[in-house]
Amino acid sequence: EVQLVESGGGLVQPGRSLKLSCAASGFTFSNYYMAWVRQAPKKGLEWVATISTSGSRTYYPDSVKGRFTISRDNAKSSLYLQMNSLKSEDTATYYCASRLYNSGFAYWGQGTLVTVSS
Amino acid sequence: DIQMTQSPSFLSASVGDRVTINCKASQNINKYLDWYQQKHGEAPKLLIYNTNNLQTGIPSRFSGSGSGTDYTLTISSLQPEDVATYFCLQHSSRYTFGAGTKLELK
Repeated sequence: EVQLVESGGGLVQPGRSLKLSCAASGFTFSNYYMAWVRQAPKKGLEWVATISTSGSRTYYPDSVKGRFTISRDNAKSSLYLQMNSLKSEDTATYYCASRLYNSGFAYWGQGTLVTVSS
Repeated sequence: DIQMTQSPSFLSASVGDRVTINCKASQNINKYLDWYQQKHGEAPKLLIYNTNNLQTGIPSRFSGSGSGTDYTLTISSLQPEDVATYFCLQHSSRYTFGAGTKLELK
């Protein structure tokens, strides 16, 4: 059974840091592009970061570029998101998701809630 | 950056109705367009990838079409379990989601 399990969310003050993790199982993790997608309360989906299969290429939207860093450990089948200089507008449920090249995000985690507030 | 305009924002339809949801890109996205379904309190679920490819396990009443800047998700005969919010996603250049269409039963 394919599973993506996020962890590391919680309440954090503005300006502080937080690191999210996503543990994958049930598929060949190293063959999949991985991404973080977030959803603010009662809002739509927003792409946050993507990483290539080897980890050599990463991509971010302007809203998080320079503050967030995506990384992966293929030996541990794990994905990470280091979030620095957090802002209130980063408050959201963060999902990890996986896709094969030239396909869609077929696998999603259940999400982890990050709340940025003083 | 590519912008995605999804319409309608809200849709009310009856069981058995044919339902269409549209996404318009700000530039040609060469069919790199996926559709996702999100039920309340759940993670998104992939329905269609690259415009018209049905994801494994998705009922055949779901279909996708389009090219260039204009894309459509069609549900041929609406079922009660289709009540959800639907999002398009372009992956031609980085990623951009549409704002979503909330589908409810009339």
